[in-house]
Parts: sequence; C-alpha cells; structure tokens
Amino acid sequence: NAGVTQTPKFQVLKTGQSMTLQCAQDMNHNSMYWYRQDPGMGLRLIYYSASEGTTDKGEVPNGYNVSRLNKREFSLRLESAAPSQTSVYFCASSELQGSNQPQHFGDGTRLSIL
Amino acid sequence: RKEVEQDPGPFNVPEGATVAFNCTYSNSASQSFFWYRQDCRKEPKLLMSVYSSGNEDGRFTAQLNRASQYISLLIRDSKLSDSATYLCVVLSGSARQLTFGSGTQLTVLP
Repeated sequence: NAGVTQTPKFQVLKTGQSMTLQCAQDMNHNSMYWYRQDPGMGLRLIYYSASEGTTDKGEVPNGYNVSRLNKREFSLRLESAAPSQTSVYFCASSELQGSNQPQHFGDGTRLSIL
Repeated sequence: RKEVEQDPGPFNVPEGATVAFNCTYSNSASQSFFWYRQDCRKEPKLLMSVYSSGNEDGRFTAQLNRASQYISLLIRDSKLSDSATYLCVVLSGSARQLTFGSGTQLTVLP
C-alpha cells in the first residue's frame, strides 16, 4: 500500500520556468492538500480539495494553481517559478477535510528555483 | 503573533531522560489538537491526538489546557529513535484547517 505518492522528489528550475508537481493517493480519501515547508516555519497550506471537483485557497496560494484530476490525484502547478518558491512541498490526504482524522503525507518534493 | 508557537529547541537529552515540549495557540475556538513527528528530511506523521482529559500512549503523554491555550507533550524514558522534530498542530477556523507549529527539535544522545 503506497499511501501518498509524490513526483518528482527533486527538481531544479530556472526563474520563469513552469512545472507541475504530481500527487496521488490510494487510500480512497476524499480530501487532499498541498503544503510548503520552509526553514523555521511550520507547514503552510497552499491549496486544498475537500472533495473531488472542488478546490480552495489556503494560506499561501499566490503563484500556484491546482487541479483535482479525479479522486486519487491532485496536482500543483507553478506557472512562472520565482526564487521565493524554493521550498519542500508536501501533498497530503485525509478521509474528510476538517475532521479529526489524521492527514497522511507524501515524502515531499524538494524544489529549488535559481 | 503566530497562531501556533513552539520552542524550536534544540533539546539534547541523554537516553532514558524525560523531556517535555510545550505549545501555545492563539485561536480560543480551536477544535482539535495533535502532535505530529517529522524525521529529518522526511514527511510528518501523526504521533497522537490530544484530548481535553489528557491521554497517554506508551511513553508519550499529551495534555491540553484550554483555559491557557496550551498543549504539552511528555516523553518518558527517551530512546535514540525518539530523535526527531515534534510538530504541534491545531485544527481551527471556519474552514477547519490544520495549522502547524514550526516544530521542536529533539536529539536523544547515547
């Protein structure tokens, strides 16, 4: 049982390039999330999808777009990468957004923007 | 003021020691509370939920004080494998989102 799978694990981009981070979960969870983690700061929510067909902004959505492709997959797109977007990105899923059920995380994408 | 504040540490303790971490949160209407554990360069994983009456899971004890908006985690008989960053996490807001503290780093020394 893979849980939450993120690709790629590492990526280096030049300023202005675009890319899509992929995330898939095999736990039949309804809700999915994208976070970024920077040194000295907690995980910050970028976007979330409470259920298939819906997406909402989190705390730091600027510069990002998301797509909930189906129940399993939730992608994060950087249209024009900026150095400030250098970070570790985590995708997570849970049975139901806003419940006490734990969120399960992928092992992260380490993204550097030069 | 951060919504969830933790002492970043690092805490360096000998094997077998007891160590306690504290966390404060700013939103008095917060609904649920958790401790997550994150190993170096790995993903966060749920360690335990925190209940109003306090709860224990083996060597780990979590407590909540709603009046003081304060959460604690106590680890007894520390093991080398307890070395990690411990994240205080709070569920709050109308959108019921998780807010993560920046974490407390623990190193258990042999």
